[in-house]
Amino acid sequence: AQSVTQPDIHITVSEGASLELRCNYSYGATPYLFWYVQSPGQGLQLLLKYFSGDTLVQGIKGFEAEFKRSQSSFNLRKPSVHWSDAAEYFCAVGESNFGNEKLTFGTGTRLTIIP
Amino acid sequence: NAGVTQTPKFQVLKTGQSMTLQCAQDMNHEYMSWYRQDPGMGLRLIHYSVGAGITDQGEVPNGYNVSRSTTEDFPLRLLSAAPSQTSVYFCAIKGVGTEAFFGQGTRLTVV
Repeated sequence: AQSVTQPDIHITVSEGASLELRCNYSYGATPYLFWYVQSPGQGLQLLLKYFSGDTLVQGIKGFEAEFKRSQSSFNLRKPSVHWSDAAEYFCAVGESNFGNEKLTFGTGTRLTIIP
Repeated sequence: NAGVTQTPKFQVLKTGQSMTLQCAQDMNHEYMSWYRQDPGMGLRLIHYSVGAGITDQGEVPNGYNVSRSTTEDFPLRLLSAAPSQTSVYFCAIKGVGTEAFFGQGTRLTVV
């Protein structure tokens, strides 16, 4: 069964500093990988996704993530955070078989930005 | 969250009451699913459907029923609400090989 681990429950970063959120997955085949962001009281918004090809993917709001098969990781990065980036971030892995499109989510990382 | 509409946004139930959470889509995606979100647990899959007339259980199906009579709608029914079902519920839709699109959520409190 697929699984996702986000080892950091809560991260605090100063505005303007760089950010890296960790995600490790367990999946037998080539995974579909996603990062979602959730602002308080809101639904989930897709930041970026990896299906195949270039292992460094660019997303919205200046985020990027790198797929490393050897480490089973898909870490999210941003070179300089803004106060508006404060939110909860979820990594997810999807099955790639048609008719079995389930997503498994990590438990999330809450990001706090300090001035 | 265009394309996925959840109603209601908020609901308070008494233990033992029943209710239906509605989810409707206008993107003609085959795959619809229900998740619940609890603090420290992330999102956990309750039930999902790969098309009209086809549903299956996810990770935490107990206490919930679903049906999928049309492509557009995927209601989630709580037959006899319990305090353990206090949560935020999200409906999601997904096409083959695409990302999932989420509704705005329903915040349910069972007292």
